[in-house]
Amino acid sequence: AQSVTQLGSHVSVSEGALVLLRCNYSSSVPPYLFWYVQYPNQGLQLLLKYTSAATLVKGINDFEAEFKKSETSFHLTKPSAHMSDAAEYFCAAQWGPGGGKLIFGQGTELSVKP
Amino acid sequence: DTAVSQTPKYLVTQMGNDKSIKCEQNLGHDTMYWYKQDSKKFLKIMFSYNNKELIINETVPNRFSPKSPDKAHLNLHINSLELGDSAVYFCASSQDRSQPQHFGDGTRLSIL
Repeated sequence: AQSVTQLGSHVSVSEGALVLLRCNYSSSVPPYLFWYVQYPNQGLQLLLKYTSAATLVKGINDFEAEFKKSETSFHLTKPSAHMSDAAEYFCAAQWGPGGGKLIFGQGTELSVKP
Repeated sequence: DTAVSQTPKYLVTQMGNDKSIKCEQNLGHDTMYWYKQDSKKFLKIMFSYNNKELIINETVPNRFSPKSPDKAHLNLHINSLELGDSAVYFCASSQDRSQPQHFGDGTRLSIL
């Protein structure tokens, strides 16, 4: 079955440190891939998307992600964490037409220490 | 201008009641969705509509009935509410089925 796995339900970094959130997908067929952020009591906001063009994708707020087919991964990075980055991050995949169905990972809560 | 708006934001009710959640998008999108986020924050799709036509029904109990009066609106009606229905329900929309989805702020449903 197609699935998305995020390693680490909680990641803590210091302000100014590198942020790395991990995401792997299960299928040998590469999907479209997305990263979303959710702030408390809010909906999901799109950070970036991979749709089979460039493998290094740049998003909002200096986030970027690299698609690696050989590793079936789509890890999210940011060079320097800011306090305002503290939130829940979701990786999601979409395979084929599928009616637009997004399959989400379990989410990773990012904490940023001063 | 809110792109995807849901009402109500909070819904507290008793087991056995019937309730509805409304969703409207002003983005001109063709496709709309309902997702359920459980207490562990796991998100799962429930339904998807494209131009008012149901295209995904993800093995949701038939107590849940979506209705799309036009392509800008997708409402969710829930009959005979159960404790397990407590969750946050998100509405989303996209230009078409391959484009990124825009989410509303969610409706937090609590069953007493």
